[in-house]
Amino acid sequence: AQTVTQSQPEMSVQEAETVTLSCTYDTSESDYYLFWYKQPPSRQMILVIRQEAYKQQNATENRFSVNFQKAAKSFSLKISDSQLGDAAMYFCAYVRSGTYKYIFGTGTRLKVLA
Amino acid sequence: DAGVIQSPRHEVTEMGQEVTLRCKPISGHDYLFWYRQTMMRGLELLIYFNNNVPIDDSGMPEDRFSAKMPNASFSTLKIQPSEPRDSAVYFCASSFILGQIQETQYFGPGTRLLVL
Repeated sequence: AQTVTQSQPEMSVQEAETVTLSCTYDTSESDYYLFWYKQPPSRQMILVIRQEAYKQQNATENRFSVNFQKAAKSFSLKISDSQLGDAAMYFCAYVRSGTYKYIFGTGTRLKVLA
Repeated sequence: DAGVIQSPRHEVTEMGQEVTLRCKPISGHDYLFWYRQTMMRGLELLIYFNNNVPIDDSGMPEDRFSAKMPNASFSTLKIQPSEPRDSAVYFCASSFILGQIQETQYFGPGTRLLVL
């Protein structure tokens, strides 16, 4: 069975600094998608970034980028120039291509210090 | 687009009462998902629909839970009778599939349910 592991329950970063959130997953599939979602105190789940497993190039979205290591089954999120509004729970998610059952990690709470 | 709409945002009820949660997916999305989020179990998929048809309900915890999608723009998740352990945040999400590309799930704001 596929699993997603986020080993950092909580992280802190100084405003304007860079932080990396870790995510590993276990699957025997070769075709899948990975996502990072942000959940601020409002509880809304907001898509941050997505990565298709068949793409070797790491996805980027403004200050957010990923380090996708397919062989190592690792999918970390880097947040550059951290802002106070980045404070939230961050969830890593996996879904096998052709299915719609997302598997979420347990989340990492990010605190941004002024 | 208004995004996924859920109602109510908060619900407080007493054990044994019936609870109905409502969801309106994004127009044009043909997949709809119901999730439950708790501290203990994280985010769990309960059921999902494709073109209004339930595809996989293996995550529904027990017979007290039921979900319907009478049309493309409306779905309900019902708990009858409710129990304190059902207290959680319930999310609805929708997505569409563009060709063979797995599209992203877009989440509603959630309904926080408290069963006393």
